[in-house]
Amino acid sequence: GAGVSQSPSNKVTEKGKDVELRCDPISGHTALYWYRQSLGQGLEFLIYFQGNSAPDKSGLPSDRFSAERTGGSVSTLTIQRTQQEDSAVYLCASSPRGGMMNQPQHFGDGTRLSIL
Amino acid sequence: AQSVAQPEDQVNVAEGNPLTVKCTYSVSGNPYLFWYVQYPNRGLQFLLKYITGDNLVKGSYGFEAEFNKSQTSFHLKKPSALVSDSALYFCAVRVLNDYKLSFGAGTTVTVRA
Repeated sequence: GAGVSQSPSNKVTEKGKDVELRCDPISGHTALYWYRQSLGQGLEFLIYFQGNSAPDKSGLPSDRFSAERTGGSVSTLTIQRTQQEDSAVYLCASSPRGGMMNQPQHFGDGTRLSIL
Repeated sequence: AQSVAQPEDQVNVAEGNPLTVKCTYSVSGNPYLFWYVQYPNRGLQFLLKYITGDNLVKGSYGFEAEFNKSQTSFHLKKPSALVSDSALYFCAVRVLNDYKLSFGAGTTVTVRA
Protein backbone atom coordinates (compact mmCIF):
# COMPACT_ATOMS: atom_id res chain seq x y z
CA GLY A 1 0.00 0.00 0.00
CA ALA A 2 1.01 3.64 -0.35
CA GLY A 3 3.08 5.23 2.37
CA VAL A 4 3.04 8.78 3.69
CA SER A 5 3.31 11.21 0.80
CA GLN A 6 4.78 14.70 1.14
CA SER A 7 4.96 17.50 -1.38
CA PRO A 8 6.90 19.28 -2.62
CA SER A 9 10.02 17.22 -2.06
CA ASN A 10 12.14 20.36 -2.32
CA LYS A 11 11.23 24.02 -1.91
CA VAL A 12 13.49 27.01 -2.35
CA THR A 13 12.07 30.42 -1.51
CA GLU A 14 13.14 33.91 -0.57
CA LYS A 15 13.18 35.18 2.97
CA GLY A 16 9.87 36.77 3.90
CA LYS A 17 7.73 34.62 1.61
CA ASP A 18 5.02 32.24 2.85
CA VAL A 19 5.27 28.50 2.16
CA GLU A 20 2.83 25.60 2.36
CA LEU A 21 3.93 22.02 2.88
CA ARG A 22 1.55 19.15 2.28
CA CYS A 23 1.25 15.73 3.87
CA ASP A 24 -0.99 12.87 2.76
CA PRO A 25 -0.97 10.15 5.46
CA ILE A 26 -1.40 6.42 5.07
CA SER A 27 -5.04 5.64 4.33
CA GLY A 28 -6.97 4.95 7.53
CA HIS A 29 -4.40 6.52 9.84
CA THR A 30 -6.13 8.98 12.13
CA ALA A 31 -3.02 10.32 13.87
CA LEU A 32 -0.68 12.68 12.03
CA TYR A 33 2.52 14.32 13.22
CA TRP A 34 4.88 16.98 11.90
CA TYR A 35 8.56 17.02 12.82
CA ARG A 36 11.46 19.21 11.74
CA GLN A 37 14.97 17.92 11.10
CA SER A 38 17.81 20.41 11.06
CA LEU A 39 21.55 20.16 11.50
CA GLY A 40 21.69 22.20 14.65
CA GLN A 41 18.56 20.94 16.41
CA GLY A 42 18.19 17.35 15.28
CA LEU A 43 14.65 15.98 15.07
CA GLU A 44 12.04 18.18 16.76
CA PHE A 45 8.34 17.56 17.25
CA LEU A 46 6.09 20.32 15.88
CA ILE A 47 2.43 19.31 16.09
CA TYR A 48 0.13 16.30 16.49
CA PHE A 49 -3.32 15.78 14.99
CA GLN A 50 -5.91 13.23 15.99
CA GLY A 51 -8.53 13.44 13.27
CA ASN A 52 -8.98 17.12 12.46
CA SER A 53 -8.13 18.41 15.90
CA ALA A 54 -4.65 19.28 17.17
CA PRO A 55 -4.44 18.42 20.86
CA ASP A 56 -0.72 19.13 20.95
CA LYS A 57 0.77 22.18 19.23
CA SER A 58 3.52 22.53 21.77
CA GLY A 59 6.35 22.17 19.30
CA LEU A 60 5.46 24.98 16.91
CA PRO A 61 8.44 27.35 17.25
CA SER A 62 6.60 30.64 16.67
CA ASP A 63 3.27 32.10 15.63
CA ARG A 64 4.54 32.17 12.05
CA PHE A 65 3.94 28.42 11.99
CA SER A 66 0.47 26.94 11.66
CA ALA A 67 -1.04 23.67 10.52
CA GLU A 68 -4.43 22.35 9.64
CA ARG A 69 -5.97 19.06 8.73
CA THR A 70 -9.23 18.69 6.91
CA GLY A 71 -11.36 15.63 6.34
CA GLY A 72 -9.21 13.68 8.73
CA SER A 73 -6.67 13.13 5.99
CA VAL A 74 -4.41 15.66 4.26
CA SER A 75 -2.53 18.15 6.40
CA THR A 76 -0.88 21.43 5.46
CA LEU A 77 1.92 23.08 7.40
CA THR A 78 2.18 26.80 6.67
CA ILE A 79 5.15 29.01 7.48
CA GLN A 80 4.55 32.73 7.12
CA ARG A 81 7.25 35.33 6.56
CA THR A 82 9.95 32.70 6.30
CA GLN A 83 13.33 33.26 7.94
CA GLN A 84 16.66 31.63 7.17
CA GLU A 85 16.50 29.63 10.39
CA ASP A 86 13.38 27.90 9.01
CA SER A 87 15.59 26.03 6.54
CA ALA A 88 15.26 22.35 7.41
CA VAL A 89 13.67 19.10 6.34
CA TYR A 90 10.03 18.92 7.41
CA LEU A 91 8.89 15.36 8.05
CA CYS A 92 5.35 14.12 8.34
CA ALA A 93 4.37 10.85 10.03
CA SER A 94 1.14 8.98 10.61
CA SER A 95 -0.07 6.12 12.79
CA PRO A 96 -3.37 4.27 13.16
CA ARG A 97 -4.30 6.22 16.29
CA GLY A 98 -2.27 8.51 18.50
CA GLY A 99 -3.20 6.74 21.72
CA MET A 100 -2.00 3.34 20.58
CA MET A 101 1.41 3.42 22.19
CA ASN A 102 2.57 0.20 20.59
CA GLN A 103 2.07 1.50 17.05
CA PRO A 104 5.11 3.01 15.33
CA GLN A 105 4.87 6.25 13.43
CA HIS A 106 5.41 5.90 9.69
CA PHE A 107 7.33 8.72 8.04
CA GLY A 108 7.26 10.33 4.64
CA ASP A 109 10.40 11.35 2.77
CA GLY A 110 10.07 14.95 3.86
CA THR A 111 10.15 18.38 2.27
CA ARG A 112 13.57 19.99 2.13
CA LEU A 113 13.00 23.72 2.64
CA SER A 114 15.72 26.22 1.79
CA ILE A 115 15.29 29.91 2.58
CA LEU A 116 17.55 32.23 0.59
CA ALA B 1 10.26 15.21 30.29
CA GLN B 2 11.77 12.36 28.34
CA SER B 3 15.11 12.37 26.59
CA VAL B 4 17.34 10.07 24.60
CA ALA B 5 21.12 10.00 24.31
CA GLN B 6 23.11 8.37 21.55
CA PRO B 7 26.66 8.74 22.82
CA GLU B 8 28.41 7.95 19.53
CA ASP B 9 28.12 10.28 16.55
CA GLN B 10 29.72 7.66 14.31
CA VAL B 11 30.24 3.92 14.31
CA ASN B 12 32.55 2.24 11.83
CA VAL B 13 32.68 -1.51 11.33
CA ALA B 14 33.90 -3.98 8.73
CA GLU B 15 31.38 -5.98 6.77
CA GLY B 16 30.62 -9.26 8.49
CA ASN B 17 31.50 -7.94 11.94
CA PRO B 18 28.95 -7.31 14.71
CA LEU B 19 27.36 -3.88 14.81
CA THR B 20 26.18 -2.12 17.98
CA VAL B 21 24.58 1.33 18.17
CA LYS B 22 24.11 2.62 21.70
CA CYS B 23 21.08 4.37 23.17
CA THR B 24 20.18 5.42 26.70
CA TYR B 25 16.97 7.09 27.78
CA SER B 26 15.50 9.10 30.62
CA VAL B 27 11.76 9.05 31.31
CA SER B 28 9.24 9.27 34.11
CA GLY B 29 7.28 6.05 33.94
CA ASN B 30 7.53 3.17 31.52
CA PRO B 31 9.26 3.85 28.22
CA TYR B 32 8.11 2.89 24.76
CA LEU B 33 11.30 2.64 22.69
CA PHE B 34 11.85 2.66 18.95
CA TRP B 35 14.70 2.46 16.47
CA TYR B 36 14.54 4.10 13.05
CA VAL B 37 16.99 4.20 10.14
CA GLN B 38 17.37 7.02 7.63
CA TYR B 39 19.01 6.72 4.22
CA PRO B 40 20.15 9.85 2.33
CA ASN B 41 17.27 12.06 1.18
CA ARG B 42 14.70 9.68 2.64
CA GLY B 43 12.41 9.71 5.64
CA LEU B 44 12.76 7.58 8.74
CA GLN B 45 12.15 3.88 8.35
CA PHE B 46 10.90 1.90 11.35
CA LEU B 47 13.19 -0.97 12.46
CA LEU B 48 11.85 -2.25 15.78
CA LYS B 49 10.14 -1.33 19.04
CA TYR B 50 10.06 -2.26 22.71
CA ILE B 51 6.71 -1.90 24.43
CA THR B 52 6.67 -4.59 27.11
CA GLY B 53 7.62 -8.23 27.58
CA ASP B 54 10.85 -9.83 26.40
CA ASN B 55 13.88 -7.65 26.77
CA LEU B 56 15.32 -8.85 23.45
CA VAL B 57 13.37 -7.46 20.53
CA LYS B 58 13.84 -8.62 16.95
CA GLY B 59 13.11 -6.35 14.02
CA SER B 60 13.60 -5.83 10.32
CA TYR B 61 16.71 -6.66 8.26
CA GLY B 62 18.28 -8.84 10.97
CA PHE B 63 18.42 -6.09 13.58
CA GLU B 64 17.65 -6.66 17.23
CA ALA B 65 17.75 -4.55 20.37
CA GLU B 66 18.10 -5.30 24.05
CA PHE B 67 16.10 -3.39 26.64
CA ASN B 68 17.90 -3.01 29.96
CA LYS B 69 15.79 -1.29 32.58
CA SER B 70 18.48 -1.03 35.24
CA GLN B 71 20.88 0.66 32.82
CA THR B 72 18.08 2.57 31.03
CA SER B 73 19.52 1.41 27.73
CA PHE B 74 18.16 0.12 24.42
CA HIS B 75 21.16 -0.75 22.25
CA LEU B 76 20.64 -1.77 18.62
CA LYS B 77 22.59 -4.78 17.39
CA LYS B 78 23.22 -6.78 14.28
CA PRO B 79 25.37 -9.92 14.39
CA SER B 80 26.86 -9.49 10.91
CA ALA B 81 26.84 -6.04 9.31
CA LEU B 82 26.36 -5.39 5.58
CA VAL B 83 27.64 -2.48 3.52
CA SER B 84 23.98 -1.66 2.83
CA ASP B 85 23.47 -1.05 6.58
CA SER B 86 25.45 2.18 6.22
CA ALA B 87 22.96 4.90 7.21
CA LEU B 88 21.86 7.25 10.01
CA TYR B 89 20.21 5.53 12.98
CA PHE B 90 17.87 7.17 15.47
CA CYS B 91 16.67 5.94 18.83
CA ALA B 92 13.36 7.39 20.06
CA VAL B 93 11.18 7.23 23.16
CA ARG B 94 7.64 8.10 24.07
CA VAL B 95 5.66 7.69 27.28
CA LEU B 96 2.05 6.94 28.09
CA ASN B 97 -0.34 9.72 27.06
CA ASP B 98 2.39 11.66 25.27
CA TYR B 99 2.03 11.21 21.55
CA LYS B 100 5.25 12.68 20.31
CA LEU B 101 8.52 10.84 19.83
CA SER B 102 11.65 12.26 21.41
CA PHE B 103 14.69 11.40 19.32
CA GLY B 104 18.36 11.03 19.99
CA ALA B 105 20.84 13.02 17.92
CA GLY B 106 21.47 10.07 15.63
CA THR B 107 24.43 7.80 14.93
CA THR B 108 26.01 7.51 11.51
CA VAL B 109 26.96 3.92 10.75
CA THR B 110 29.55 3.17 8.10
CA VAL B 111 30.17 -0.44 7.12
CA ARG B 112 33.29 -0.89 5.01
CA ALA B 113 33.68 -3.71 2.53
